[in-house]
Amino acid sequence: GQQVMQIPQYQHVQEGEDFTTYCNSSTTLSNIQWYKQRPGGHPVFLIQLVKSGEVKKQKRLTFQFGEAKKNSSLHITATQTTDVGTYFCAGSAGGFKTIFGAGTRLFVKA
Amino acid sequence: GAVVSQHPSWVICKSGTSVKIECRSLDFQATTMFWYRQFPKQSLMLMATSNEGSKATYEQGVEKDKFLINHASLTLSTLTVTSAHPEDSSFYICSAREEQGQPQHFGDGTRLSIL
Repeated sequence: GQQVMQIPQYQHVQEGEDFTTYCNSSTTLSNIQWYKQRPGGHPVFLIQLVKSGEVKKQKRLTFQFGEAKKNSSLHITATQTTDVGTYFCAGSAGGFKTIFGAGTRLFVKA
Repeated sequence: GAVVSQHPSWVICKSGTSVKIECRSLDFQATTMFWYRQFPKQSLMLMATSNEGSKATYEQGVEKDKFLINHASLTLSTLTVTSAHPEDSSFYICSAREEQGQPQHFGDGTRLSIL
């Protein structure tokens, strides 16, 4: 069945350093979504990518969708302590089901 | 933005008790609602998908008689953990989606502790 792999599992950075998490699907996706879950909180929708090769930016966050629509990445420039949390990608290959990646836990040291 | 309300936030109860968790979409109609279970520091494990007015679709390994899901309206889905045991203790989160292809909006989650 469809699988979504996400790496790394966790990453520690110094405040001001960049951070990237990667997501790979075993099948071609119709769209990919990114969510952020703060410690003790619930996942919050960040963005959805639909088009092959699409790049979207939200302030210091850059999201990319691969040309083959099987991989995606989230890059944070100059991390801040407020970026702490777990970032999940979630891919849909059509149909009702969206498969979540395992998440990447980001730790930011001030 | 889209708001999903989940209630209760936390429950502590004795083994053998049945617990009902409610998930409501407050400002949109959710054709599909999802129920997840999340263990500490781990990812979201999809338990079941429910569409309004039809039976829920359960993921492999999830006992449908143990975790009863009802999606009676476009704004409400309930998860009932029947005869709960300590191993059912977990963080349960619902999400709601307006239509296919749209993002999911999550409730705050319910922390369930079975003694």
